[in-house]
Amino acid sequence: ETGVTQTPRHLVMGMTNKKSLKCEQHLGHNAMYWYKQSAKKPLELMFVYSLEERVENNSVPSRFSPECPNSSHLFLHLHTLQPEDSALYLCASSQGASGYTDTQYFGPGTRLTVL
Amino acid sequence: AQRVTQPEKLLSVFKGAPVELKCNYSYSGSPELFWYVQYSRQRLQLLLRHISRESIKGFTADLNKGETSFHLKKPFAQEEDSAMYYCALSSFSGGYNKLIFGAGTRLAVHP
Repeated sequence: ETGVTQTPRHLVMGMTNKKSLKCEQHLGHNAMYWYKQSAKKPLELMFVYSLEERVENNSVPSRFSPECPNSSHLFLHLHTLQPEDSALYLCASSQGASGYTDTQYFGPGTRLTVL
Repeated sequence: AQRVTQPEKLLSVFKGAPVELKCNYSYSGSPELFWYVQYSRQRLQLLLRHISRESIKGFTADLNKGETSFHLKKPFAQEEDSAMYYCALSSFSGGYNKLIFGAGTRLAVHP
């Protein structure tokens, strides 16, 4: 599959579980992003990686832990989540070149339900 | 503070009617604005960006710095335009762009 892929597409977990979300981009981009989309709030930026370095962490609780092993892969490790963390988690990537604002390309999302 | 406001959660029109989805922003610098669209069971995708000044699927949006607005317009709505529309503001720093999204407006076009 081309573009940005995310696995799993759906995840149900208990509050004591540990799970990981995976994102992969096939676009040769240098920047990758995690967003949270919940019913009651606008799409919120969680983390940004540029050239595999975390460049932004938007005051996200430590129970969410991102990892970017290379420019094509991004993970979101989940540990002891709360029911209010249930949401759609979107991954995006962009070229990340300096000097201009480039388009972000989104994955299909992982629908997370925390019981 | 940087903020994007989309005042309407739902906009319901009939096919062939004009459409205007409102977006207002708050930003201290020179803004770059986008409209993203999410059709049913599809991923979020870029519809248009203000610097391109182009029309996509019949939609246009003009940046009005005086009114801090970037409303999305289409003269004649089609049923296939039914979707969620998100206005987004971009700020660029450190080699990446940070998008700030509005809450979104659901456009429903009825036959």
